[in-house]
Amino acid sequence: AQTVTQSQPEMSVQEAETVTLSCTYDTSESDYYLFWYKQPPSRQMILVIRQEAYKQQNATENRFSVNFQKAAKSFSLKISDSQLGDAAMYFCAYRLSGAGTYKYIFGTGTRLKVLA
Amino acid sequence: DSGVTQTPKHLITATGQRVTLRCSPRSGDLSVYWYQQSLDQGLQFLIQYYNGEERAKGNILERFSAQQFPDLHSELNLSSLELGDSALYFCASSVEGTGGYEQYFGPGTRLTVT
Repeated sequence: AQTVTQSQPEMSVQEAETVTLSCTYDTSESDYYLFWYKQPPSRQMILVIRQEAYKQQNATENRFSVNFQKAAKSFSLKISDSQLGDAAMYFCAYRLSGAGTYKYIFGTGTRLKVLA
Repeated sequence: DSGVTQTPKHLITATGQRVTLRCSPRSGDLSVYWYQQSLDQGLQFLIQYYNGEERAKGNILERFSAQQFPDLHSELNLSSLELGDSALYFCASSVEGTGGYEQYFGPGTRLTVT
C-alpha cells in the first residue's frame, strides 16, 4: 500500500530565510503525481506545487520549489525568502495516474511558523 | 478562488439529526472527493465519485452516504449525528487523465454538532 510520511510535525523559519519541508513516500508504481498543499489559518486548502513522476526536472512556482528524488522516494518542498503569509500547515500528497481510479494519499502535515 | 463551491459554509445542528452538504465541482472536473478534517488533524478521505459512479471509499461511517448527480454536483449526507462528527468537511474536484491530477478544494463546510 502507498504511504506518505512527513516526519517534521513543526518547523520554524525566520522571515526572509529559506526552509525545507520533508516528505517521503512508499510505492512500487512508476507513474504517479506528487503535490504540496498549504492550509493557512483560514483552513482553505491551497495547491502549492505539483510534480509528475516521469519528469526529471524539479517543479518550481515562484518562491516554492521541490527536490524530487525518485529513487529515494523523497519529495521535499523548499520555500525561499519566507514571508509571514507562508505560515500554515503544509501537506504532501501522492496519487497514482489513472482517471477516476485512485484516491489521494496525504501525509499528516508539517506546521510552519514564520518568525518576524 | 478554486472554483469549487460548497454550501452551507457553517452548519450547527443537534445530535441525532441529519444534514446534507453540497458541493459543485469546477467546470469540466469529473471527479469529486469528500474529506473530513477534525480540529488540528489531517485529512481523512471519505469517498470518491467519478462521473456519477462511486470509485473509492475511505473511512466513511455507515451513517454517512454520498452521491454524484448527472450535472456532477455531489451531496454528502450525514445522519444520526454525534458530537464526534463535528469537523470541517471538504469537497475537492479534479479533472484527471490528460487534463492533470491536481485536486482543487472548496472552502469547506464547518459542521458543529451540539
